[in-house]
Amino acid sequence: GQQLNQSPQSMFIQEGEDVSMNCTSSSIFNTWLWYKQDPGEGPVLLIALYKAGELTSNGRLTAQFGITRKDSFLNISASIPSDVGIYFCAGPTTSGTYKYIFGTGTRLKVLA
Amino acid sequence: DSGVTQTPKHLITATGQRVTLRCSPRSGDLSVYWYQQSLDQGLQFLIHYYNGEERAKGNILERFSAQQFPDLHSELNLSSLELGDSALYFCASSVADQNTEAFFGQGTRLTVV
Repeated sequence: GQQLNQSPQSMFIQEGEDVSMNCTSSSIFNTWLWYKQDPGEGPVLLIALYKAGELTSNGRLTAQFGITRKDSFLNISASIPSDVGIYFCAGPTTSGTYKYIFGTGTRLKVLA
Repeated sequence: DSGVTQTPKHLITATGQRVTLRCSPRSGDLSVYWYQQSLDQGLQFLIHYYNGEERAKGNILERFSAQQFPDLHSELNLSSLELGDSALYFCASSVADQNTEAFFGQGTRLTVV
């Protein structure tokens, strides 16, 4: 079935640095969503993308829907300590039974 | 606050027992999704209901079952519990059944001892 792979798996960055992460699939998606999860909490929706090539911002976060529809990117500018957490991409599958699946996650740690 | 309510927040039970997790979706949302998240793992899709009907199943064990009631709340039943069932169980809801944003509850932490 369709899977979402995220990279990097984890990253340590200094406060103030910009962060980039991506999500790829072997098959196309029509919607890409990015979530952030704090320890022990539910994922919180950050950005939703619905159109190939779309670039959407939410404060310091910017996400892009890849032209091939097989990938998406999330950038965080000027990171701050509260950006720590796990970032997941997600989307509804487009083949077989409709399922809302999540990527493997990128764990972000910010060093003050 | 996402508007999705899950109860209980924590549950400790013994192996072999049965538990029921409850989810109230956001007002107006017709879809409910259930996910399992084991320690330091990703979110594994279990099952999706839309307006009372099952729409999709993921890797849900036969010991697990779910339903969505006419008032749209949903319950996830876990039976013959094993130690490996210890995990966070999340419910999410969305307005429609396809290509829509899903909002998550705070989860139920299940510990099987």
